[in-house]
Amino acid sequence: DAGVIQSPRHEVTEMGQEVTLRCKPISGHNSLFWYRQTMMRGLELLIYFNNNVPIDDSGMPEDRFSAKMPNASFSTLKIQPSEPRDSAVYFCASTHLTGNTEAFFGQGTRLTVV
Amino acid sequence: AQSVTQLDSQVPVFEEAPVELRCNYSSSVSVYLFWYVQYPNQGLQLLLKYLSGSTLVKGINGFEAEFNKSQTSFHLRKPSVHISDTAEYFCAVTPGDSSASKIIFGSGTRLSIRP
Repeated sequence: DAGVIQSPRHEVTEMGQEVTLRCKPISGHNSLFWYRQTMMRGLELLIYFNNNVPIDDSGMPEDRFSAKMPNASFSTLKIQPSEPRDSAVYFCASTHLTGNTEAFFGQGTRLTVV
Repeated sequence: AQSVTQLDSQVPVFEEAPVELRCNYSSSVSVYLFWYVQYPNQGLQLLLKYLSGSTLVKGINGFEAEFNKSQTSFHLRKPSVHISDTAEYFCAVTPGDSSASKIIFGSGTRLSIRP
């Protein structure tokens, strides 16, 4: 398996624009997580899905953020409209629902909003 | 609910010296415990994990960690560090039952190795 695949690796956008980050989890994994990492706040859990269903989105900072998982092999995180303070590295991770196996992380998307 | 505290945000050590990165957790239920490493410009990868059984767990790159239930700790150790160990290290916890898979990470400890 190629691991968790995120795209794009880097994104530079202007304030106010819509940004969509994409994630393909490892085949067979049924839990998917979106994290945001910044120097100031460290690694924050934004939302996670079990069997394609959002379980906890309490970490989503504002209504400008939304995430979907239309099927077991694809998820998106959308920011609309984007703001400079959204600049961060966004990670997607997947694992099995049982919790006794580790999460596998993608390489991340570095988002810069100017 | 679970939480994880990493007591040191940065740990500088000399090459070939021993190192300990501290992690404490809180939980009202049993937990699984993990240590992850993040090298610059990369995602996190697993170093080691504790699920059950022996409290001393060995991982990759010569790292080991000891689960101490009474002190609710899971400290990471290496007897002799190398320059290549320079990275950020994250302790994580997840509930030890099959009904939930939420992974909670600590704030990370940046390990810097001096030659």
